Amino acid sequence: GENVEQHPSTLSVQEGDSAVIKCTYSDSASNYFPWYKQELGKRPQLIIDIRSNVGEKKDQRIAVTLNKTAKHFSLHITETQPEDSAVYFCAATRTGNQFYFGTGTSLTVIP
Amino acid sequence: DAGVTQSPTHLIKTRGQQVTLRCSPISGHKSVSWYQQVLGQGPQFIFQYYEKEERGRGNFPDRFSARQFPNYSSELNVNALLLGDSALYLCASSPSWGIYGYTFGSGTRLTVV
Repeated sequence: GENVEQHPSTLSVQEGDSAVIKCTYSDSASNYFPWYKQELGKRPQLIIDIRSNVGEKKDQRIAVTLNKTAKHFSLHITETQPEDSAVYFCAATRTGNQFYFGTGTSLTVIP
Repeated sequence: DAGVTQSPTHLIKTRGQQVTLRCSPISGHKSVSWYQQVLGQGPQFIFQYYEKEERGRGNFPDRFSARQFPNYSSELNVNALLLGDSALYLCASSPSWGIYGYTFGSGTRLTVV
């Protein structure tokens, strides 16, 4: 099956700086890669996703890049704000019926 | 419009007992998936149901079972509970079969003592 690795496990940045979280996957057939944000005690929320026919996608301060050849994808958050503090999970799937999640990155934005 | 609703929100059970968790998907969503999230880890896939049929099963023992009803709501059952079953159980719905981003419910926090 698929194996998704996520780094780093913890990340601290100053408010206004950028944050980058990286994931690698093992199944070259995976073709959909969502990112979820989970605040303490709350449900994971989809923040951005990318399909394998696209190399980059942006939504305001958030962007995701995908390198199919290297089998890795990254989440980029610019101009970080304290409310960006949360755990972020990447995921991959090739069928839509089973998502493989990374182990999470705890992001802390220091005011 | 209501999101994905799960009940109960918290549950404490004793080893060996059985538990049933419930999920109502977003109105119009026909696919429901169940995930187990152990503290400090990412969600692990348990089941997916679409149109009342099991479409996928993760690497969990037969103590775990689920079903989907005609109204697309779903139940997850776990028998012979073990301490290691303590986790947040997340239900996710998506519009249909195929590759869509999930909408997760708030989860059921199960503690086995």
